[in-house]
Amino acid sequence: DTEVTQTPKHLVMGMTNKKSLKCEQHMGHRAMYWYKQKAKKPPELMFVYSYEKLSINESVPSRFSPECPNSSLLNLHLHALQPEDSALYLCASSQDWPSVTGELFFGEGSRLTVL
Amino acid sequence: SQQGEEDPQALSIQEGENATMNCSYKTSINNLQWYRQNSGRGLVHLILIRSNEREKHSGRLRVTLDTSKKSSSLLITASRAADTASYFCVAVSSNDYKLSFGAGTTVTVRA
Repeated sequence: DTEVTQTPKHLVMGMTNKKSLKCEQHMGHRAMYWYKQKAKKPPELMFVYSYEKLSINESVPSRFSPECPNSSLLNLHLHALQPEDSALYLCASSQDWPSVTGELFFGEGSRLTVL
Repeated sequence: SQQGEEDPQALSIQEGENATMNCSYKTSINNLQWYRQNSGRGLVHLILIRSNEREKHSGRLRVTLDTSKKSSSLLITASRAADTASYFCVAVSSNDYKLSFGAGTTVTVRA
């Protein structure tokens, strides 16, 4: 199984809502990532988890709260978001981190719209 | 983080033609990778070239790497409509193995 599965595919939420994005991989990878991607831009790294511990937080606002319940699952909890947070949120995994090869396996993304 | 540049930003070609895009990066690398992204979808890994390699092939893809110029190129031969996508280079730092994405090249293949 070489898939990274993300749910939901689309999410519309108001600025006062609380929602979560979910990501799952069963490749035995020990590193998982959240990226944010705006239209016509490359993905921007938000968080890296390695062995279920937060290794990198790229100065992401606290309204985004990551969680790694186990080695296969990665969540991104969303609260009090702003319209400018509307974007495609991509989850990725790799065998380890830092990864010598660096090859990432991406999910299909969750398209988030904040009203 | 993003520290690479890609050119052109956009490329439109006829089916059957070749498409070439270039990538430049700033730090010393362990390897450089190319990914494809169809509109609104996830990224798919295409090919990886190590810092001690100069050229690599995979099917219709040919990648070159010039570490002295800190640049790489991706050639797609005999393009197909299905090759329509955005292509990103990703430089993997040899210091800390962090990944740096290029700005991306959007390729449109006309039937």
